[in-house]
Amino acid sequence: GESVGLHLPTLSVQEGDNSIINCAYSNSASDYFIWYKQESGKGPQFIIDIRSNMDKRQGQRVTVLLNKTVKHLSLQIAATQPGDSAVYFCAETSSNTDKLIFGTGTRLQVFP
Amino acid sequence: GAGVSQTPSNKVTEKGKYVELRCDPISGHTALYWYRQSLGQGPEFLIYFQGTGAADDSGLPNDRFFAVRPEGSVSTLKIQRTERGDSAVYLCASSSGPGVGYYEQYFGPGTRLTVT
Repeated sequence: GESVGLHLPTLSVQEGDNSIINCAYSNSASDYFIWYKQESGKGPQFIIDIRSNMDKRQGQRVTVLLNKTVKHLSLQIAATQPGDSAVYFCAETSSNTDKLIFGTGTRLQVFP
Repeated sequence: GAGVSQTPSNKVTEKGKYVELRCDPISGHTALYWYRQSLGQGPEFLIYFQGTGAADDSGLPNDRFFAVRPEGSVSTLKIQRTERGDSAVYLCASSSGPGVGYYEQYFGPGTRLTVT
């Protein structure tokens, strides 16, 4: 499949290390945020979400942090694995709309 | 179960031609979304259907773009008089109910459109 982004910011990590991917969102009215993983030739896949009344949410090996003061999201991946290699996008929306607004992606490369 | 499917997976067309891109959502999903993803960018919202009707088409870039969902399941995105700037991956997503904050969107693999 075609790569979705040839000139994206890239984060390179060694297998087993922790990864942190950052995102600045645009709309202070946004109250719901999602992180997506996109592998080459595939559509985005939901990873984890967070609502604006929270500042941290944990999943399996992943944690999302939300800082509303500076409109910043981060995705932390623990013990990064080769299968985590992909492009990661944050997306924002608000409860009065059905649109998702995606940020610019970050390519995660995991080396053995 | 089957996910969202999109056909064709790749489409090459000449500038000025008309194209149709098809999306088959997950069975039973009432909400359907179209996005466009240019190289190196995140997906950009185009249009949202709830059932047969377009609930929000504010993302369609101009009147060359049109989408239908006549029976509330399959949707077709139609592009007239294609331009080179229309080249992108067109993604479709579906969800089991309205509201992106309440129902997860499941994305298809996309159709890569190349206008020469």
